Amino acid sequence: SAVISQKPSRDICQRGTSLTIQCQVDSQVTMMFWYRQQPGQSLTLIATANQGSEATYESGFVIDKFPISRPNLTFSTLTVSNMSPEDSSIYLCSVGVGDQPQHFGDGTRLSIL
Amino acid sequence: QKEVEQDPGPLSVPEGAIVSLNCTYSNSAFQYFMWYRQYSRKGPELLMYTYSSGNKEDGRFTAQVDKSSKYISLFIRDSQPSDSATYLCAMSVGSGNTPLVFGKGTRLSVIA
Repeated sequence: SAVISQKPSRDICQRGTSLTIQCQVDSQVTMMFWYRQQPGQSLTLIATANQGSEATYESGFVIDKFPISRPNLTFSTLTVSNMSPEDSSIYLCSVGVGDQPQHFGDGTRLSIL
Repeated sequence: QKEVEQDPGPLSVPEGAIVSLNCTYSNSAFQYFMWYRQYSRKGPELLMYTYSSGNKEDGRFTAQVDKSSKYISLFIRDSQPSDSATYLCAMSVGSGNTPLVFGKGTRLSVIA
């Protein structure tokens, strides 16, 4: 299975600022996914990032708030923009290789003051 | 009604007990069913993966899918303190490159 590294592992940020989260995979993958895990809630898909095309966002998530880059087949970034305390969450990236189920990184734990 | 329902617990059992974890779902298009285990401060780790209905066994773990009832289960035999974690059910309409829909997760504690 693919090894997924996320940076930073955690951060504490001031409201109104932005943070970019990096996701690096040790093999080339077509699709990368970004999820949010809020306390007491299900993991929720933010967007799907396909290399070479614009990310596809789920209902309730917009590009201005969560811009995503996918410059190559092993790397993606998610930016959380103009942060508010409601953005405090764990952000996870995952990849699926072929027919295999998705594997996840360890996530970025984000707290907004 | 949420697409996937899972009792969040917490669930506390003695070491050696048989644990039963369950999820129900509403979308009949789901074909792939997964159980992930998530330890504190770690990402979800794939535990079991099943396509369509049926049973799958791996060591102490058994996954069951009943599509007619829209009900999936994970059984843990001879539970160990190291099984203490949050267990997430997930499902999708397609294989690996298809978005997953998760339950809320069940927090399990196995007491020595």
